[in-house]
Amino acid sequence: QSALTQPPSVSGSPGQSVTISCTGTSSDIGSYNRVSWYQQPPGTAPKLMIFEVSNRPSGVPDRFSGSKSGNTASLTISGLQAEDEADYYCSSYTSSNTLVFGGGTKLTVL
Amino acid sequence: EVQLVESGGGLVQPGGSLRLSCAASGFTFSSYWMHWVRQAPGKGLVWVSRINSDGSSTYYADSVKGRFTISRDNAKNTLYLQMNSLRAEDTAVFYCARGAKAYMDVWGKGTTVTVSS
Repeated sequence: QSALTQPPSVSGSPGQSVTISCTGTSSDIGSYNRVSWYQQPPGTAPKLMIFEVSNRPSGVPDRFSGSKSGNTASLTISGLQAEDEADYYCSSYTSSNTLVFGGGTKLTVL
Repeated sequence: EVQLVESGGGLVQPGGSLRLSCAASGFTFSSYWMHWVRQAPGKGLVWVSRINSDGSSTYYADSVKGRFTISRDNAKNTLYLQMNSLRAEDTAVFYCARGAKAYMDVWGKGTTVTVSS
């Protein structure tokens, strides 16, 4: 199972919006509404930010939103804050009954 | 407080074995899917394995199938990962995570496995 494709890095200024893409195939993202997104600040464990494409766990700010179109999922962060600086990973369920992560995207808040 | 604490990591020679444990507390362990995810130094997250709530169904990434075995003891609120035939490329931080079939909502802090001679 190949990793999902994410841009290595994105950046934005405080208050702006950024979108991180996550491209898979018809065997994963394209076939299931089971995409999740994780935030990992340096040296810490990952944190769930979005599950099942667009659902936010309790406690995650509504500045974080998720969507999907075809084989590509997206995470949008609006009203960027310095604390949002971290690595972000997407994940999807696959037709092999496994999960696959993206390679990760480093978000820099300028 | 919901908590997952991994243990059992360490230095092992290529071809060796290790058993990781993950002690769960603060929630009904027997109600959740559990996962193992690893992260090699400076690299991204890689899903390793998951097990359903009663332990009857297990799934593995191709890279570990046949070498790793996931299991759980719901009476002890503990998840395990038995790792055999370890390779240098298995060197990573291994995270235990609670979740559902296709996502992980609570993560431990991880335990480090180093495979080297």
